[in-house]
Amino acid sequence: KAGVTQTPRYLIKTRGQQVTLSCSPISGHRSVSWYQQTPGQGLQFLFEYFSETQRNKGNFPGRFSGRQFSNSRSEMNVSTLELGDSALYLCASSFDRNTEAFFGQGTRLTVV
Amino acid sequence: AQSVTQLGSHVSVSEGALVLLRCNYSSSVPPYLFWYVQYPNQGLQLLLKYTTGATLVKGINGFEAEFKKSETSFHLTKPSAHMSDAAEYFCAVSSPIKAAGNKLTFGGGTRVLVKP
Repeated sequence: KAGVTQTPRYLIKTRGQQVTLSCSPISGHRSVSWYQQTPGQGLQFLFEYFSETQRNKGNFPGRFSGRQFSNSRSEMNVSTLELGDSALYLCASSFDRNTEAFFGQGTRLTVV
Repeated sequence: AQSVTQLGSHVSVSEGALVLLRCNYSSSVPPYLFWYVQYPNQGLQLLLKYTTGATLVKGINGFEAEFKKSETSFHLTKPSAHMSDAAEYFCAVSSPIKAAGNKLTFGGGTRVLVKP
């Protein structure tokens, strides 16, 4: 069974640009969550999508958005990038509520 | 709101020695508890989890953790450290309440160094 796939693995963007990250969950999983990992703030929850609906949202500005498609694949978008958005962005997929979360390898975003 | 505190951001152990990583949580309802491990430039891998039932939970790679409700703790142990255990470890909680979905709240992490 294929694991959670995140693309791209590495990304360099310039301040003010926007970026889209992609996550393909494990086949059959309907829940996709996104996390931001930084040395200063640690692992922080961004949002969760379940069957194409945002089910939960963390405390991030509106520049951070996401969506989920009918095949459960998810994208997150960050607009007007700031230097502080440099981080490892992790995607996790779960079959259903309160079931084990499987993480992808992450996308490392560097904003210059 | 839930929170997780991991005591010690760095732990150094000798190969073959006991590994003990501490985790305390705060939650208005008994949460689900998890330990994850992260190797450099990798995602998170689940070591073990506690939802209900037996409070001593065994996980992969020889790790185990005990849920102590009275102490609001979920410490992770391994009797004998191996060089391959060098990584960062994260304790996490989630709420059993339906509306909370699958949101995980993580502790700050503990980086483990294993000395030969």
